[in-house]
Amino acid sequence: QVQLVQSGTEVKKPGASVKVSCKASGYTFTNYAMHWVRQAPGQRLEWMGWINAANGYTKYSQTFQGRLTITRDTSANTVFMELSSLGSEDTAVYYCARKAFSEWLSPFDYWGQGTQVTVSS
Amino acid sequence: DIVMTQSPDSLTVSLGERATINCKSSQSVFYNSNQKNYLGWYQQKPGQPPKLLIYWASNRQSGVPDRFSGSGSGTDFTLTISSLQAEDVAVYYCQQYHSTPFTFGPGTKLEIK
Repeated sequence: QVQLVQSGTEVKKPGASVKVSCKASGYTFTNYAMHWVRQAPGQRLEWMGWINAANGYTKYSQTFQGRLTITRDTSANTVFMELSSLGSEDTAVYYCARKAFSEWLSPFDYWGQGTQVTVSS
Repeated sequence: DIVMTQSPDSLTVSLGERATINCKSSQSVFYNSNQKNYLGWYQQKPGQPPKLLIYWASNRQSGVPDRFSGSGSGTDFTLTISSLQAEDVAVYYCQQYHSTPFTFGPGTKLEIK
């Protein structure tokens, strides 16, 4: 069965960077793109960006342009999300989510369990 | 960016009764080329990730009970739960995947009366 397993809780100081991993199993990794979505306390879900797992092509929300990097390691079936210059407003649960269909524009059918990132001095 | 709004913010419904949640997009999420609405619905229970319920506005995801249905086109959409069950208590989000940045509604909290 499809599983997305994310790395554990992170606590970071303002100005630091965080790198969260998402290990996929149960399907052919390179056949599906992966998105990252975050949810700050009491806020709506916020799309951050995606990566084509086959060729590494990425697209980021303008909100995070310049401080978000999404990469993948096809040998480990793992996608990474790195966010730099962290501020308190980046405190949130971060999710990876698989693109459901082969179409370029598609909903998200499987989600990781979420990774809590807390930014605090 | 496409802005998604939902109504109501919260909803209290009796077991076995119908629940209706509305979603509106600031611009159409319909593509004439393939006649599809790029609109999905998700259910999120406390401490869990969102779960895809409906895609293309009205297609039920595999394994989702048939009491969940979606309707609408263009800018106005509805999620209906025909007969509320206790396990349906959750927050429900609509999402447009018509264009990036993909955006979500603010959520509707559904509770049992």
